[in-house]
Amino acid sequence: KAGVTQTPRYLIKTRGQQVTLSCSPISGHRSVSWYQQTPGQGLQFLFEYFSETQRNKGNFPGRFSGRQFSNSRSEMNVSTLELGDSALYLCASSSLPLPGQNYEQYFGPGTRLTVT
Amino acid sequence: EDQVTQSPEALRLQEGESSSLNCSYTVSGLRGLFWYRQDPGKGPEFLFTLYSAGEEKEKERLKATLTKKESFLHITAPKPEDSATYLCAVQAANYGQNFVFGPGTRLSVLP
Repeated sequence: KAGVTQTPRYLIKTRGQQVTLSCSPISGHRSVSWYQQTPGQGLQFLFEYFSETQRNKGNFPGRFSGRQFSNSRSEMNVSTLELGDSALYLCASSSLPLPGQNYEQYFGPGTRLTVT
Repeated sequence: EDQVTQSPEALRLQEGESSSLNCSYTVSGLRGLFWYRQDPGKGPEFLFTLYSAGEEKEKERLKATLTKKESFLHITAPKPEDSATYLCAVQAANYGQNFVFGPGTRLSVLP
């Protein structure tokens, strides 16, 4: 079974630009979550989508947005980039566990965004 | 306020020297506690899910345990390939699918 894939793996953008990152979850997984990871703040939750609906949102400004498509693939967009947006952006997918199964969330390799 | 702390921040072990990593949490209504391993430049790799106090999970040289306030990741006879950052995360009843991650413990195992 293929894992979570994220594209692109690396991006360099200039302040003020916008960027779109893509995530393809594990086949059959309908929940996709996005996280930002920085050395200072660690892993922080951005938002989670399930069946094309945003179910949960972290404490990030409105410049950060996302969406999910009918095939569960997800994109996140950051507008008006700031230097502080430089980070590793991670996508994770999960499925609703069946009775007796554990909940498990699997991460992709991340997109390294550098804002100059 | 819900929070997750991990100790120590960094740990250096000799190959074969067993030790434990700690994850302490304060959360309302714990739904699950998760352990991940992260190698530099890569996404976190899922290790364990723990749901209730007293639960234990094992995988190769790793064993995770859970109490009402903390979780331990025990590493028995570690090898250099166990070197990584170990992250714990909690999922609370009011978070939906959101995880709150701890800052991680950076483990180095020297040959």
